[in-house]
Amino acid sequence: DTAVSQTPKYLVTQMGNDKSIKCEQNLGHDTMYWYKQDSKKFLKIMFSYNNKELIINETVPNRFSPKSPDKAHLNLHINSLELGDSAVYFCASSQGETVNQPQHFGDGTRLSIL
Amino acid sequence: QKEVEQNSGPLSVPEGAIASLNCTYSDRGSQSFFWYRQYSGKSPELIMSIYSNGDKEDGRFTAQLNKASQYVSLLIRDSQPSDSATYLCAVKSAGNQFYFGTGTSLTVIP
Repeated sequence: DTAVSQTPKYLVTQMGNDKSIKCEQNLGHDTMYWYKQDSKKFLKIMFSYNNKELIINETVPNRFSPKSPDKAHLNLHINSLELGDSAVYFCASSQGETVNQPQHFGDGTRLSIL
Repeated sequence: QKEVEQNSGPLSVPEGAIASLNCTYSDRGSQSFFWYRQYSGKSPELIMSIYSNGDKEDGRFTAQLNKASQYVSLLIRDSQPSDSATYLCAVKSAGNQFYFGTGTSLTVIP
């Protein structure tokens, strides 16, 4: 019963391709997130999204776009992949409006650009 | 100034010692504070949360919060080699935004 699940776990692709990473949560949370973790291990927030609002980190290139078909899913689509996009991407969810609720993370998607 | 700051380490302690991890935050209105552990190649895992000033204990872990000083810490007693990981401090702001520190790498030496 995985709470936050991401697919695929590994993604190896060529520069210039377009790819998507899927995320689903079964915790009933109202807010989902995408993070990028590079080789220095810093967790950088990319997006947070609930049914009311999409918050975009302004440093994220517009080649990255979140897509949410419903509140249990938040997919990440990436156009024209670049070498610098190689990283681990984590999906997370939380009950956003409830102060004391933490984030729960998926297992990550390891993206390698050739 | 970063929202959440941690010493990146690495921090090395001998097995059985107390490991002390520290974190400061900038938003005085922050209300919730979390410690995550991340093993190499794995996802962050929640190990402690704290919301009120003072200490909160859970097994070998103690979280300490001082809102006046905007400081939160994690103590690990009787450190074990299996505690070797990166520890991430996370703060939920008054606006319900999460901010993570850069993490402190801990190595427990047998």
